[in-house]
Amino acid sequence: GQNIDQPTEMTATEGAIVQINCTYQTSGFNGLFWYQQHAGEAPTFLSYNVLDGLEEKGRFSSFLSRSKGYSYLLLKELQMKDSASYLCAVRDSNYQLIWGAGTKLIIKP
Amino acid sequence: DTEVTQTPKHLVMGMTNKKSLKCEQHMGHRAMYWYKQKAKKPPELMFVYSYEKLSINESVPSRFSPECPNSSLLNLHLHALQPEDSALYLCASSLMQSQHFGDGTRLSIL
Repeated sequence: GQNIDQPTEMTATEGAIVQINCTYQTSGFNGLFWYQQHAGEAPTFLSYNVLDGLEEKGRFSSFLSRSKGYSYLLLKELQMKDSASYLCAVRDSNYQLIWGAGTKLIIKP
Repeated sequence: DTEVTQTPKHLVMGMTNKKSLKCEQHMGHRAMYWYKQKAKKPPELMFVYSYEKLSINESVPSRFSPECPNSSLLNLHLHALQPEDSALYLCASSLMQSQHFGDGTRLSIL
């Protein structure tokens, strides 16, 4: 079967760094996506990784290891507005997104 | 701001009504999607259009009927919905390296 695992909830402090992990087992791999979703809003695209390594976009970075079936999203200089759910999704061999359940990130002052 | 536009943003309808959700994108993406999302759950894929042809229907009930009039537009026709169909309905379009969502339509069935 296909499976995406990520922690249910994480807490971090404003100004700090947090790493949200995602492990996956899917039928085929055509890229991994990270999305941010605030409550009641649509998901916002953050990053896409298809090759191994680190992709950096401002305060957010995403890492991929295909051999390990592993990715992480790194958020630096945390702000209160970063409190949201973060969703990991893998595009499988049918080019459809398989979604993790999401990680709720709580930022404390 | 999103480059995928969905209307309406909110919709309340009775179980006997017929309504349509609309989605538009002008990014030249040739794949478009309808998702359903319940609170605190990830999006569930409903339909995929690739080059204006329905390529995947994830066994969605026939009370949901998709339509892709052209490469920029996607509709979802609703008829005889049930209370459990109340959810956020998301449209998305994609290239290989990204998939962007519209703001969604919050649908409530009375």
